[in-house]
Amino acid sequence: KQEVTQIPAALSVPEGENLVLNCSFTDSAIYNLQWFRQDPGKGLTSLLLIQSSQREQTSGRLNASLDKSSGRSTLYIAASQPGDSATYLCAVRTETSGSRLTFGEGTQLTVNP
Amino acid sequence: GEEVAQTPKHLVRGEGQKAKLYCAPIKGHSYVFWYQQVLKNEFKFLISFQNENVFDETGMPKERFSAKCLPNSPCSLEIQATKLEDSAVYFCASGESRVEFFGPGTRLTVL
Repeated sequence: KQEVTQIPAALSVPEGENLVLNCSFTDSAIYNLQWFRQDPGKGLTSLLLIQSSQREQTSGRLNASLDKSSGRSTLYIAASQPGDSATYLCAVRTETSGSRLTFGEGTQLTVNP
Repeated sequence: GEEVAQTPKHLVRGEGQKAKLYCAPIKGHSYVFWYQQVLKNEFKFLISFQNENVFDETGMPKERFSAKCLPNSPCSLEIQATKLEDSAVYFCASGESRVEFFGPGTRLTVL
């Protein structure tokens, strides 16, 4: 059974800092891994999707890496802004999971002005 | 449509009442997924459909939960005899080629 863990559970940084969020998963037989953002009381916004054959994806100030063999992904946020404050969720789609996503419990990020 | 639509946004039910949630997937997507988000962030998979057929129902509490995706109708998730622990946000997602797009969710509060 796939399990996804995110560290840290919460993170508070001053504006302008570069930061790294970590995600690990137990079953490396994945199709893809996705990073989402969730604002309080809102739905999910997809940030980056990495296919199992890829090592990284970039979008603006965000960069996500994937090391499938070790079961790890990181989300790097450059020059953080107060508007980045949200919960960041990592989710994996496993080859044996019938195409559903397994989510981590998220990292709650606060960027202080 | 280009977005997954979910109705209602909020639903309040007394314990023991029925709750029915609706999801209109993105046109052309073959797969529909239902997830339940309880507490702060814990996402639990409930069920998925491939067109109108159940694809994976391993996450469904079958005693009180049921779901359908019929042609030319929104998909639905129904909870009979709701319990306090059913209070959660229910997300629907639709997708193709192992990429999902999420709706805004329905917040169910059971009193």
